[in-house]
Amino acid sequence: AQSVTQPDIHITVSEGASLELRCNYSYGATPYLFWYVQSPGQGLQLLLKYFSGDTLVQGIKGFEAEFKRSQSSFNLRKPSVHWSDAAEYFCAVGAGGGNKLTFGTGTQLKVEL
Amino acid sequence: GAVVSQHPSRVICKSGTSVKIECRSLDFQATTMFWYRQFPKQSLMLMATSNEGSKATYEQGVEKDKFLINHASLTLSTLTVTSAHPEDSSFYICSAEPTGVNEQFFGPGTRLTVL
Repeated sequence: AQSVTQPDIHITVSEGASLELRCNYSYGATPYLFWYVQSPGQGLQLLLKYFSGDTLVQGIKGFEAEFKRSQSSFNLRKPSVHWSDAAEYFCAVGAGGGNKLTFGTGTQLKVEL
Repeated sequence: GAVVSQHPSRVICKSGTSVKIECRSLDFQATTMFWYRQFPKQSLMLMATSNEGSKATYEQGVEKDKFLINHASLTLSTLTVTSAHPEDSSFYICSAEPTGVNEQFFGPGTRLTVL
């Protein structure tokens, strides 16, 4: 069974500081990996995705993530956080092709000015 | 491109009534749509996978007679919460996967409050 672990429930960073959100997955084959962001009361916006190829993936809003198969990880990074990045971040794993996504429990990001 | 809409965005209903939520893919066709439920400050939990023209596949623990899903066309799926109770109050989010694309696009969600 596929699963996703986001170890950090809450993270607080200062504006301008770097950010890393952790994501570990469990999946039997090559996974399709996603990072989504959700603002309060809103739907999900895709930040980036990994299917295959280059293990460092660039996304929107200056985010990037690195797929590390040996560590079963897909951590999200941003070199300089903006106050508008405060939101809930979800990592998800799936198989594509009409198959379901499994989400992690999410990490709530707070940005201090 | 790849926009998914949900209607209504918010709904308040009395206990015992039924509520229908629509999920539409506006600019693409989706053989598969998904319905998720999200409780406050929690993650998304998949309720069911909806395939056009066939019966939905429900996740374990989800009552298919309570949460009726219809996927009548390649651009529309509906979720009907029957005989709603206060514990059904939640944020319901749908997603749609374009045919041949291994990515789901999410709707903005529907906030259901059952009084």
